[in-house]
Amino acid sequence: DTAVSQTPKYLVTQMGNDKSIKCEQNLGHDTMYWYKQDSKKFLKIMFSYNNKELIINETVPNRFSPKSPDKAHLNLHINSLELGDSAVYFCASGGSGYNEQFFGPGTRLTVL
Amino acid sequence: GNSVTQMEGPVTLSEEAFLTINCTYTATGYPSLFWYVQYPGEGLQLLLKATKADDKGSNKGFEATYRKETTSFHLEKGSVQVSDSAVYFCALSRDGGSQGNLIFGKGTKLSVKP
Repeated sequence: DTAVSQTPKYLVTQMGNDKSIKCEQNLGHDTMYWYKQDSKKFLKIMFSYNNKELIINETVPNRFSPKSPDKAHLNLHINSLELGDSAVYFCASGGSGYNEQFFGPGTRLTVL
Repeated sequence: GNSVTQMEGPVTLSEEAFLTINCTYTATGYPSLFWYVQYPGEGLQLLLKATKADDKGSNKGFEATYRKETTSFHLEKGSVQVSDSAVYFCALSRDGGSQGNLIFGKGTKLSVKP
C-alpha cells in the first residue's frame, strides 16, 4: 500500500491553462502539506492543512488554490499556469508538532 | 527567522570513503532536526531524525548528532556505497505550534564512484 500517493506523476501543459494535482494519504495523519521543488532542488513549503483547515499559506500566488475535501486528501489547483510554475510538487503528510513527514513521489509539472 | 544551511555540493567520493555533510541551523525554541534523502527520480524519504539536544539519529549506517551549542546536525557515514548516491536534505521543524512544517536546506548531491 502506498502511504502518500499523487497523480499525475508528470504533467505537461501550455501557459494559461488550469490544472489540478491530487494527493491522498492512508496514514491517518491530520496534517497534509504541499511543497514546491525548483530546478535547483530547493524545497519550500506552500500550504499546510490540518483536518481540512488551512494552517499555513506561504507567499504563493493566489492562482494556486489548495482544496481538502477530507483529511485524507489535499488537492492543488493552479489557474492560468505560467512558465515559472514549472517544478516538482510534493505532497506530504504528518502529525502535528515535531513528527516526521511522509512524502509522495512528486508531480513534475512542465509549462510550455 | 528559522533557516537551515548545508554545505554545497556536489560531493564526489570513492566507494568506502568517509562522508560528512555539514548542516547548521537557526531557530527559535527547540526544533526537531531531520535528514531526508532523495534518490534520482523519487520523492523524499526520511533518513534519520533527532528531537532534542544531544540526541543521535542513525539509520543505514548514517548518523547525525543534535548539537545545540554549535547549532549543528552534521550527517556522517563511515563507508559510503554507490547506492548512497542521492541528494541529501537537512531540515528542521518550525517552532511555534505551526503544525510542524519543515524548513529545508538547499540539498547536497552525493555521487559515489565504484
